[in-house]
Amino acid sequence: GNSVTQMEGPVTLSEEAFLTINCTYTATGYPSLFWYVQYPGEGLQLLLKATKADDKGSNKGFEATYRKETTSFHLEKGSVQVSDSAVYFCALIPIKAAGNKLTFGGGTRVLVKP
Amino acid sequence: KAGVTQTPRYLIKTRGQQVTLSCSPISGHRSVSWYQQTPGQGLQFLFEYFSETQRNKGNFPGRFSGRQFSNSRSEMNVSTLELGDSALYLCASSPTNSNNSPLHFGNGTRLTVT
Repeated sequence: GNSVTQMEGPVTLSEEAFLTINCTYTATGYPSLFWYVQYPGEGLQLLLKATKADDKGSNKGFEATYRKETTSFHLEKGSVQVSDSAVYFCALIPIKAAGNKLTFGGGTRVLVKP
Repeated sequence: KAGVTQTPRYLIKTRGQQVTLSCSPISGHRSVSWYQQTPGQGLQFLFEYFSETQRNKGNFPGRFSGRQFSNSRSEMNVSTLELGDSALYLCASSPTNSNNSPLHFGNGTRLTVT
């Protein structure tokens, strides 16, 4: 079956530090990969996505590269802000799947301190 | 453009009761998906509706059901509530049921079963 594994949190950082959240996946074929972010009291927001190998998704200073050889999609940001404190979810949809059935990782809570 | 609206935001029920949650998608979106979020199990897919038809279903018991109306609004029903049904229920809409369409999530309904 399909699965997504993320590093466990919480990850605590100081402002302007470098952030990496590891994500690896298991899926049949080559899935589309996503990072979603959840701020306190809110639903999930799409942060970025990549649909094929070597694609790089980017948004709001965050980046992730689809690595087929290591089945990974690690999230990075060069300089975090307090406002980046949230829970981050890695997710996939199999490439030939019908519909919008996302498989999520367990989420990684990030806390950025001033 | 209004986002995905879920009502109510909070709900408290007792074991054995039933509950109905509502989701209004973004205008023009025809696909609505439901997810359950718990600290132990994370985010799990419940079902997806497109054009009033259930297109995908997750691994939940038959106590969990849903429907979609002609205006794309969706309801989710849980009968014979159990303590383990306490969770944040998230609805997401998408323009189509293509797996490349981004999902837009509502802020969720937090259900507490006592």
